[in-house]
Amino acid sequence: GAVVSQHPSRVICKSGTSVKIECRSLDFQATTMFWYRQFPKQSLMLMATSNEGSKATYEQGVEKDKFLINHASLTLSTLTVTSAHPEDSSFYICSARKSRSPGETEAFFGQGTRLTVV
Amino acid sequence: GQNIDQPTEMTATEGAIVQINCTYQTSGFNGLFWYQQHAGEAPTFLSYNVLDGLEEKGRFSSFLSRSKGYSYLLLKELQMKDSASYLCAVRDNTGFQKLVFGTGTRLLVSP
Repeated sequence: GAVVSQHPSRVICKSGTSVKIECRSLDFQATTMFWYRQFPKQSLMLMATSNEGSKATYEQGVEKDKFLINHASLTLSTLTVTSAHPEDSSFYICSARKSRSPGETEAFFGQGTRLTVV
Repeated sequence: GQNIDQPTEMTATEGAIVQINCTYQTSGFNGLFWYQQHAGEAPTFLSYNVLDGLEEKGRFSSFLSRSKGYSYLLLKELQMKDSASYLCAVRDNTGFQKLVFGTGTRLLVSP
């Protein structure tokens, strides 16, 4: 199978501090990873596409200076929420694709990170 | 742009059949996915359609009509554990192959 591990699963931080979330593909290489945010009772909203060795591509309306993404290796992408505020409290989920082949079907999801900013 | 719509909520009875619809208008299309998500958990993959027609997998079936921009997920022999959110997602045909999710449907199965 293909396993994506996301850490931490839950984090509480003080307003104004920064939080780093890790997304690792454990048994495959992922040239592309995606970061989503999900508010309660809402669907997943794509924030950005993370590409190994290059800058992330952000969706419209997502602040790139606030949500820093680093994809330093083929198995690790990180999302850092900088200067967190209570409105950043949300469920953050990453997903990873094995390759860019059109025949590949699934995107594999991490377990998600529940961020609470107090 | 992307616009993917689903009903917000649905209710059904244990043992029944329920159909969850998804309509989409996207700038590019390279497959449609259905995911199940329980509260506080990550989505789990249910089905994938890239060609028109019906894909059956046990109690779950998914249908796609690309010309109509329409898909549905059919759940048979409903069980209480099927109470969850069901997410329709469209993969675009750009180099990134982004997966964009619909609004999601919360399904409540009652005894």
